[in-house]
Amino acid sequence: RKEVEQDPGPFNVPEGATVAFNCTYSNSASQSFFWYRQDCRKEPKLLMSVYSSGNEDGRFTAQLNRASQYISLLIRDSKLSDSATYLCAVNMDMRFGAGTRLTVKP
Amino acid sequence: SQTIHQWPATLVQPVGSPLSLECTVEGTSNPNLYWYRQAAGRGLQLLFYSVGIGQISSEVPQNLSASRPQDRQFILSSKKLLLSDSGFYLCAWRGENSNQPQHFGDGTRLSIL
Repeated sequence: RKEVEQDPGPFNVPEGATVAFNCTYSNSASQSFFWYRQDCRKEPKLLMSVYSSGNEDGRFTAQLNRASQYISLLIRDSKLSDSATYLCAVNMDMRFGAGTRLTVKP
Repeated sequence: SQTIHQWPATLVQPVGSPLSLECTVEGTSNPNLYWYRQAAGRGLQLLFYSVGIGQISSEVPQNLSASRPQDRQFILSSKKLLLSDSGFYLCAWRGENSNQPQHFGDGTRLSIL
C-alpha cells in the first residue's frame, strides 16, 4: 500500500459545483497534513493546512479523519480558476499524494 | 520573509553528461531542505532531504547525489545522466518544526537527449 494515496481523477465539474477530494495515509503517527495546488508545469503551492478540528478558508474546507486515516478537501462554488492538480502532503513522511486533477468547465 | 531560489529553470543535457542543480534559501536559518522529482503526469518522488550542513538522507538508490555545503544551500548532482533522469526537479524547504509545511522553488525542467 502506498504511503499517501489520492484518486487521480480527473474530476470534470461545471462552474458552481461542489467537489470533494480524499487522501488516505498509512502512517498512523502522522501529525501534520496539508493541501497543495499545482498548476500545469509549475511548482506546488501551499493551499491550506489541515487541522484536527477541520478548517475553512473561503470556499475551501479541509478535514481530518484520524480514525480512518484520511484527509479531505471540499471546494464549494467552483470557479474556472480552480482548475489544477491538488496534492495532499503528510509531513511525518515528507510524502505527497500523486495528485487529483480538477477541471472546472463553463 | 523567506524565499527559495532554484536554477536553472530549464536544462537540456545529453545522456552521460554531468548535472548540477542548485537551490538556496533566504530569510531563515537551519531549514530542512528537500529534493523531489516529478515525472510527467506523476506525483512527487522524494529523492533527498537534509536537516543540517553535511547531513544528507537518500530515499531511493540512483545515480544522483546531493550535498549541503552551507546551511541554506542544497545541490543535486550526477556524474552521468540517464534518459530516465528526465523530469521536473523541485527543491523545497521547511522550518525545523515538523508541523510546518514545505515551500517549493520554481523547479528545474530537465530533459535528457
